[in-house]
Amino acid sequence: SQTIHQWPATLVQPVGSPLSLECTVEGTSNPNLYWYRQAAGRGLQLLFYSVGIGQISSEVPQNLSASRPQDRQFILSSKKLLLSDSGFYLCAWSGGAHEQYFGPGTRLTVT
Amino acid sequence: GENVEQHPSTLSVQEGDSAVIKCTYSDSASNYFPWYKQELGKGPQLIIDIRSNVGEKKDQRIAVTLNKTAKHFSLHITETQPEDSAVYFCAASISNYQLIWGAGTKLIIKP
Repeated sequence: SQTIHQWPATLVQPVGSPLSLECTVEGTSNPNLYWYRQAAGRGLQLLFYSVGIGQISSEVPQNLSASRPQDRQFILSSKKLLLSDSGFYLCAWSGGAHEQYFGPGTRLTVT
Repeated sequence: GENVEQHPSTLSVQEGDSAVIKCTYSDSASNYFPWYKQELGKGPQLIIDIRSNVGEKKDQRIAVTLNKTAKHFSLHITETQPEDSAVYFCAASISNYQLIWGAGTKLIIKP
């Protein structure tokens, strides 16, 4: 069966510091991969999605970037965090039939 | 642009009663409509979905109905239990890869 992992689970970072969040999927090949952000008590905002290695589509212009160095690995990065980057970051995968399956999330607090 | 409206934002029901959450979508090309349940501090979990060639789908106490003419779909939970308390999100497909999300409904089950 398929499993999706995210780490770290929680992260507290100062403003201006770099960020790297990692997501990996097991048990499937060539998944579509997604990064979402969720502000406290709010809905899901799609940040990036990828349909293959090296193929990244950005939905929201901001100081975040994403990379997909391997088929089942998706990384979210920032060179300099802002206070507004705080939130719950969710990675999801899809097998191409629309259904998206989410990881456990990373709670990021920028101080 | 495309959007999904979800109502109500908060729903409080007595344990054992039924709960209904409604969503309206704008893109007539949407053909996939999932519902997710998100418990506090966790990633959303797919609980039921429906495709445009079906009007209703049931899974034990949960059902989803779709009216393509009116462009709305609903989640029905019968015999509600305390563990049904969570935030529920609806979504609609807008391409082969993307979903557009409702803002969420906080469901509270009163004992």
